[in-house]
Amino acid sequence: QSVLTQPPSVSGAPGQRVTISCTGSNSNLGAGYDVHWYQQLPGTAPKLLIYSNSNRPSGVPDRFSGSKSGTSASLAITGLQAEDESDYYCQSYDSSLSVVVFGGGTELIVL
Amino acid sequence: EVQLVESGGGLVQPGGSLRLSCAASGFTFNTYWMSWVRQAPGKGLEWVANINQDGGEKYYVGSVKGRFAISRDNAQNSLYLQMDSLRAEDTAVYYCARDLRAKTPGVDYWGQGTLVTVSS
Repeated sequence: QSVLTQPPSVSGAPGQRVTISCTGSNSNLGAGYDVHWYQQLPGTAPKLLIYSNSNRPSGVPDRFSGSKSGTSASLAITGLQAEDESDYYCQSYDSSLSVVVFGGGTELIVL
Repeated sequence: EVQLVESGGGLVQPGGSLRLSCAASGFTFNTYWMSWVRQAPGKGLEWVANINQDGGEKYYVGSVKGRFAISRDNAQNSLYLQMDSLRAEDTAVYYCARDLRAKTPGVDYWGQGTLVTVSS
């Protein structure tokens, strides 16, 4: 059971908008810790997608956006493309456990 | 270009030991926190340990405390993970990761990973 909760899978058709939620608690997201998002394509290492809630590293398309409010965060992907089919992970820090924590991951299926 | 290249993975029996290495290049290694993150087959990501710039601060996830030791050699631009008393549940791909340098710890660069299999 992950400290940060994500839906196991989401799906959408090409061109559509999908969102992936990440729910935490008062010892992580609710305590003011930021959330980061990673994309992991099949068989590859994760890649930083969004950092500090809503910032995109250089090279990440603006189709990807992030937000955070209270104990929850979300990743939005607009103009869905086939190459977006991947696993997505949220990540933060938990002050009760004193560790970096990840969500369980969400598989994005492009229909 | 930032590069992180892990080595040292392999098959080891339960109770055995293994030392992972990560060769870093393309950035000033001694100015970054570094981490190890693992991923069991078919499972999600799990942070294992991290270490500060001079090696004076080290933190571990509870399941590896007392069994794993993270270290670094700034002269060699290398990060290490000594893994002792290995268990089947330690089987995973282990990633070397560079700290994001943000208010909340995170990773901005990952290595390609090295597979550790604990089995008899």
